[in-house]
Amino acid sequence: DIVMTQSPDSLAVSLGERATINCKSSQSVLYSSNNKNYLAWYQQKPGQPPTLLIYWASTRESGVPDRFSGSGSGTDFTLTISSLQAEDVAVYYCQQYYVTPCSFGQGTKLEIK
Amino acid sequence: EVQLVESGGGLVQPGGSLRLSCAASGFTFSDHYMDWVRQAPGKGLEWVGRIRNKANSYSTEYAASVTGRFTISRDDSMNSLYLQMNSLKTEDTAVYYCARQFAGGGYYLYYFDLWGRGTLVTVSS
Repeated sequence: DIVMTQSPDSLAVSLGERATINCKSSQSVLYSSNNKNYLAWYQQKPGQPPTLLIYWASTRESGVPDRFSGSGSGTDFTLTISSLQAEDVAVYYCQQYYVTPCSFGQGTKLEIK
Repeated sequence: EVQLVESGGGLVQPGGSLRLSCAASGFTFSDHYMDWVRQAPGKGLEWVGRIRNKANSYSTEYAASVTGRFTISRDDSMNSLYLQMNSLKTEDTAVYYCARQFAGGGYYLYYFDLWGRGTLVTVSS
């Protein structure tokens, strides 16, 4: 099974500042035949279900603000929020969908400093 | 409106059974693989299992923690997904979400592009 490890577990950032969350997979999630990384990022606000932010490691879902960006390849990935807004307070999860069972990181709780 | 709505959660004793339902609307349900994902109180997300579409023989896969106890089924005519849970354990206590996989085609796996609001299952004596 692929283990997904996020860092840090929690993060406090000032409004308007950059937030960076890392995700590492225990094996590569890059599929060589299509050169796609099978890695997604989700946002979960308190009391709500997760919502999709990023897929294929760097493609923003429709309607997601462009302050959210994803990068990385193979085993190391990053979610960046370029200018933190109050509504971005949430827990963020990475997920690999390269193999079954798909697996999630443990989550990173993002708060306002 | 494109949505998924879960129902059927509740309190059940250890060893008991429960059947969850997920009603889909606003999209072509039959095109999509559908999954169940759970979240224990205050914890992270755990994949439970999936059912593929008719083109892929409605095949199913499960997490090791639920194999042999949980069964996923679907009724495309009713736009509904089900999770039959037997031999429930206290560690099965969680909010259960149904989630839609992006319909990218082929036998490949994709990301979850739509989630329901979840239904709470509590296993306790």
